[in-house]
Amino acid sequence: GQNIDQPTEMTATEGAIVQINCTYQTSGFNGLFWYQQHAGEAPTFLSYNVLDGLEEKGRFSSFLSRSKGYSYLLLKELQMKDSASYLCAVRDWGRGSTLGRLYFGRGTQLTVWP
Amino acid sequence: GAVVSQHPSRVICKSGTSVKIECRSLDFQATTMFWYRQFPKQSLMLMATSNEGSKATYEQGVEKDKFLINHASLTLSTLTVTSAHPEDSSFYICSASDRVGNQPQHFGDGTRLSIL
Repeated sequence: GQNIDQPTEMTATEGAIVQINCTYQTSGFNGLFWYQQHAGEAPTFLSYNVLDGLEEKGRFSSFLSRSKGYSYLLLKELQMKDSASYLCAVRDWGRGSTLGRLYFGRGTQLTVWP
Repeated sequence: GAVVSQHPSRVICKSGTSVKIECRSLDFQATTMFWYRQFPKQSLMLMATSNEGSKATYEQGVEKDKFLINHASLTLSTLTVTSAHPEDSSFYICSASDRVGNQPQHFGDGTRLSIL
């Protein structure tokens, strides 16, 4: 399957900035997604990149470099409620992939301290 | 508001019981729905892909006779865990996309299944 790698855990303090990296390998890349998941809840959509560059949405930004197989999620002005798992997911249309399916990383557990 | 509704949110039942979980797209037609399972502190694992009007596509290692999927309409897919056992206890999540491969997937709220 696809190799999607992201750090297991990260910590930061309130008001700080944190960058969560994600690297991937796919045969038919068609978009990278970031989701936020609080404990015991379903993931919620944060951002989507299909072209190289930075997508900004409020306190959250996501960057993609297709040539490097690399993305990051940038969280600014951290708040306690940002403590959650952040999932990197890649949509792959390569051979053998179900059309439209996402391949998820293991998630990065972010803890924000006061 | 929620665009994908999943029901029930929590089920606790005895071993051997069959459990049905519903996934509905609320304001769009979902040609494809995905069913995931997530064990504690692990990522989402795709179980099967459900296409309206056709048989589901199961991932390797997922028993199709144990996890029955029906996608009879463009707004409803169901997952039935047949003769559930304690090892089937998990968090089951569905997602839907309105145009295959072109939109972010929206997730249901998940179903916490506990088999005693």
